[in-house]
Amino acid sequence: AQSVTQPDIHITVSEGASLELRCNYSYGATPYLFWYVQSPGQGLQLLLKYFSGDTLVQGIKGFEAEFKRSQSSFNLRKPSVHWSDAAEYFCAVGGAGGSYIPTFGRGTSLIVHP
Amino acid sequence: GAGVSQSPSNKVTEKGKDVELRCDPISGHTALYWYRQSLGQGLEFLIYFQGNSAPDKSGLPSDRFSAERTGGSVSTLTIQRTQQEDSAVYLCASSALLAEPRGEQFFGPGTRLTVL
Repeated sequence: AQSVTQPDIHITVSEGASLELRCNYSYGATPYLFWYVQSPGQGLQLLLKYFSGDTLVQGIKGFEAEFKRSQSSFNLRKPSVHWSDAAEYFCAVGGAGGSYIPTFGRGTSLIVHP
Repeated sequence: GAGVSQSPSNKVTEKGKDVELRCDPISGHTALYWYRQSLGQGLEFLIYFQGNSAPDKSGLPSDRFSAERTGGSVSTLTIQRTQQEDSAVYLCASSALLAEPRGEQFFGPGTRLTVL
């Protein structure tokens, strides 16, 4: 069975600082990996996704993520955080083995101090 | 174009009452998902509609929960005899790719259900 762990419930950074949100997955084969962002009162929006190829994936809003098979990780990064990045971030894994239903992590809440 | 819409945005009901939550997916999207998001929790999968095939109901927590999708478009999630533990945000998502685990999901804003 596939699973996702986001070990940090809350992350607090200062505006302009760099950001890394952690995501670890469990899946037997090469997974399909996603990062979504949820602003307050909104639905989720896709930031980026990884299926194959280059392990460093670029997304919207200046975000990137790196797939590391050896560590079963897909951490999300941004070099300089803006106050508008304050939101809930969800990592998800989808199955290449026929599961059409992605599994979501519990989310990491990002707080940005001015 | 229009995104996924859900109604109502907020619903307050009394314990034991039935509620219906509506989802209008993006036109042409063949896959539709319902999720439940409780405070401090991730997204809990409820049900998945895939084109004209039988839905995957494996995530429904009890037989009080049911959903239908009429004409391959609008979907309604029904919760009968609501309980306080049903209080959560119910999210709907649609995807253009049928039976494709790589498909990006487009989410609606959710319906916040409060059971008193």
